Amino acid sequence: QKEVEQNSGPLSVPEGAIASLNCTYSDRGSQSFFWYRQYSGKSPELIMSIYSNGDKEDGRFTAQLNKASQYVSLLIRDSQPSDSATYLCAVNEEGSGYSTLTFGKGTMLLVSP
Amino acid sequence: DAGVIQSPRHEVTEMGQEVTLRCKPISGHNSLFWYRQTMMRGLELLIYFNNNVPIDDSGMPEDRFSAKMPNASFSTLKIQPSEPRDSAVYFCASSLEIGTGWTGELFFGEGSRLTVL
Repeated sequence: QKEVEQNSGPLSVPEGAIASLNCTYSDRGSQSFFWYRQYSGKSPELIMSIYSNGDKEDGRFTAQLNKASQYVSLLIRDSQPSDSATYLCAVNEEGSGYSTLTFGKGTMLLVSP
Repeated sequence: DAGVIQSPRHEVTEMGQEVTLRCKPISGHNSLFWYRQTMMRGLELLIYFNNNVPIDDSGMPEDRFSAKMPNASFSTLKIQPSEPRDSAVYFCASSLEIGTGWTGELFFGEGSRLTVL
């Protein structure tokens, strides 16, 4: 069973700070990695995807991937109270000609004004 | 555009009763997923359909759970008989999968919150 591990949190940061969310995965063969955001009582939504080692930036969000260490992270710069949510790391699990996502349990982020 | 539509949004039932959850995926999407979310276990994949065919049902907990997709616009997840440990939020998600170029973007419905007493 492939595993995706995240600290459950909550991670508390003040408004304007950088929030750093981390994720490790067990399957060394995984190729695609995703960050989903889930507000309380709502459904998850995709915010970032990353496929190659290194950094990928999108606005205030930066995803980082290190396949050798089996580690994915998400940095949120200039954190806003509206960023308060649970962030789910997901890893593409490829079967015989199909793909599904395995999710971590998520890290709750709290941004205080 | 309409997103993924799930019903019911909330269901409270008694142990032993049959529960049917329904999902209408986004038009044109060819992949449909049923996930279950609990605090303890997080978001777990129950079953995955591609072009209406069940591809991976290894996550279905036991024979009490069954899922169908009779056509491209409708799927059901049935629990019979239900048990208190089945209490969770059940999400349906759809996606457009194109060969090996899948973006990994799942579009989730709002979920069905099931409480089994």
